[in-house]
Amino acid sequence: DAMVIQNPRYQVTQFGKPVTLSCSQTLNHNVMYWYQQKSSQAPKLLFHYYDKDFNNEADTPDNFQSRRPNTSFCFLDIRSPGLGDAAMYLCATSRVAVSYNEQFFGPGTRLTVL
Amino acid sequence: AQKITQTQPGMFVQEKEAVTLDCTYDTSDQSYGLFWYKQPSSGEMIFLIYQGSYDEQNATEGRYSLNFQKARKSANLVISATQLGDSAMYFCAMSEYNFNKFYFGSGTKLNVKP
Repeated sequence: DAMVIQNPRYQVTQFGKPVTLSCSQTLNHNVMYWYQQKSSQAPKLLFHYYDKDFNNEADTPDNFQSRRPNTSFCFLDIRSPGLGDAAMYLCATSRVAVSYNEQFFGPGTRLTVL
Repeated sequence: AQKITQTQPGMFVQEKEAVTLDCTYDTSDQSYGLFWYKQPSSGEMIFLIYQGSYDEQNATEGRYSLNFQKARKSANLVISATQLGDSAMYFCAMSEYNFNKFYFGSGTKLNVKP
């Protein structure tokens, strides 16, 4: 089945230790998104790629970076995680279409910062 | 201004009864899409239903229906014959034409009582 895969599902890191979360998709969608979601809150968009074009949200901290080496993979790098970065990180994809932009979500990676 | 407003942080419903989750939206675009997602405690965002701004009929998907009132800018989700497995967070979202991003509401936590 075509899908969005996130690894790992649970990640524990130490304060200040760089961490990378990965996302892959078999849908061949041209847009990939990274969201941060804290408990009982809506997902917050960090950035997205439209093909190779990177689009950063204005309020995304510099601590968060992303790479998309090819259509299938996208990575979220947190350079120096703080306690406030503990959250669920959701990857999503979409195929751009006229007025219909359903996003397909992966299962998420729950990040703990010690 | 908030693009998507969900005014019910939490709701209870008796199993097998129907429930309506409210969603209002704000856009000046003529072409947009409205979505509902379910998020169980496991964290995955599950697509439920979509309504396009030009769709004249209300969308339905099994036990889910979307009560779309364009003039009032509301897109309420109706779940009929609720089941215990419907207990989850529900997010309303909007995508505007030609924009590669979703706007999420703050969510409604639904609890189905046996």
